[in-house]
Amino acid sequence: NAGVTQTPKFQVLKTGQSMTLQCAQDMNHNSMYWYRQDPGMGLRLIYYSASEGTTDKGEVPNGYNVSRLNKREFSLRLESAAPSQTSVYFCASSDRAQMGPLHFGNGTRLTVT
Amino acid sequence: AQSVSQHNHHVILSEAASLELGCNYSYGGTVNLFWYVQYPGQHLQLLLKYFSGDPLVKGIKGFEAEFIKSKFSFNLRKPSVQWSDTAEYFCAVNVNRDDKIIFGKGTRLHILP
Repeated sequence: NAGVTQTPKFQVLKTGQSMTLQCAQDMNHNSMYWYRQDPGMGLRLIYYSASEGTTDKGEVPNGYNVSRLNKREFSLRLESAAPSQTSVYFCASSDRAQMGPLHFGNGTRLTVT
Repeated sequence: AQSVSQHNHHVILSEAASLELGCNYSYGGTVNLFWYVQYPGQHLQLLLKYFSGDPLVKGIKGFEAEFIKSKFSFNLRKPSVQWSDTAEYFCAVNVNRDDKIIFGKGTRLHILP
């Protein structure tokens, strides 16, 4: 049982480049999330999706877009990367209907130079 | 907008000392509350959660938390810490009818052997 799988694990981008972070879960969860973690800032919610076909902005959505492709997959796109987007990104999912906890992926460490 | 405040950014204790980490949230309605722990190099995992019922919640590894609605607080406690409790601890809040889950900035706990 893989849980939440994120790819890639590491990425280095130059300012202005674009990339998509992939996330997939195999737990049949309805809710999926993207967070970024920065030292001293905790986890900040970028976007979330309560169900297939719906997405909502979190605390820090600027500079990001998301796609809930199907129930399993929730991708995060940086259209024009900036150094301020250097961070560790975590995807998570939960079974909100069953009041389940967040299950996190292993994270993507992104550096923008 | 909902928010979470964790008062202690960095706590240093000796083994066997008692622990209390503060967490306050801002939202007047029904909330669900969580404590997560992140051990070095790992992703977050759930310690305990409160949805309803008994405001004193017991979690894994001897941790507990008390929900005090009048104080908008959900403090984490452990009577006697161990060196292996060295980690970062995050409080999180979710408004009952929404899927959005917001985290505090975290408390870094360092236990001296």
